[in-house]
Amino acid sequence: NAGVTQTPKFRVLKTGQSMTLLCAQDMNHEYMYWYRQDPGMGLRLIHYSVGEGTTAKGEVPDGYNVSRLKKQNFLLGLESAAPSQTSVYFCASSPPGTSGILNTGELFFGEGSRLTVL
Amino acid sequence: LAKTTQPISMDSYEGQEVNITCSHNNIATNDYITWYQQFPSQGPRFIIQGYKTKVTNEVASLFIPADRKSSTLSLPRVSLSDTAVYYCLVGGLRAAGNKLTFGGGTRVLVKP
Repeated sequence: NAGVTQTPKFRVLKTGQSMTLLCAQDMNHEYMYWYRQDPGMGLRLIHYSVGEGTTAKGEVPDGYNVSRLKKQNFLLGLESAAPSQTSVYFCASSPPGTSGILNTGELFFGEGSRLTVL
Repeated sequence: LAKTTQPISMDSYEGQEVNITCSHNNIATNDYITWYQQFPSQGPRFIIQGYKTKVTNEVASLFIPADRKSSTLSLPRVSLSDTAVYYCLVGGLRAAGNKLTFGGGTRVLVKP
């Protein structure tokens, strides 16, 4: 059981280049998230998905796009990378809760993808 | 979204109890309180979750007063390996979707 797997783990880009980060989970979770974490800072939510085929914006969505074509995969794309997007990116997944509206799923995180934009 | 406020950092010594308080004054009725631990170069890891009163598991206790406007994570008898950043997270799943947002976290340093 691999849990949440992120690829690649490291990447260096030049300004203006594009790339896609892949997040895969094998726990059949409905919810998936992309966060970014800058040095010494907390995590900020970029985009999230509550199910296959659906995505929504988080706190800092500008400059990123996402897709959830398959339940197990959540892709984060940078169309034109900028130095401000240098960060560590974390993917997480979460099952729905079990108590009606009074529920929140535990987040399971990947190991992170360190992206540097020169 | 309920915003959280935590101390930026705190120091402790091995064997002591560490208590971290998180303020969340505008917590909603269907919000849970969840705490995560993060080591350098790793993703956060779930520690404990609660809705009200007290919750205890094998690693921590979570105290939530009746008004739920704050919560306290208690780590008993910490060791050097408990040095990490601890995040308080407030949120819940709603029919329209879920935004689970993190605050700045508390950096705990355990000294020998």
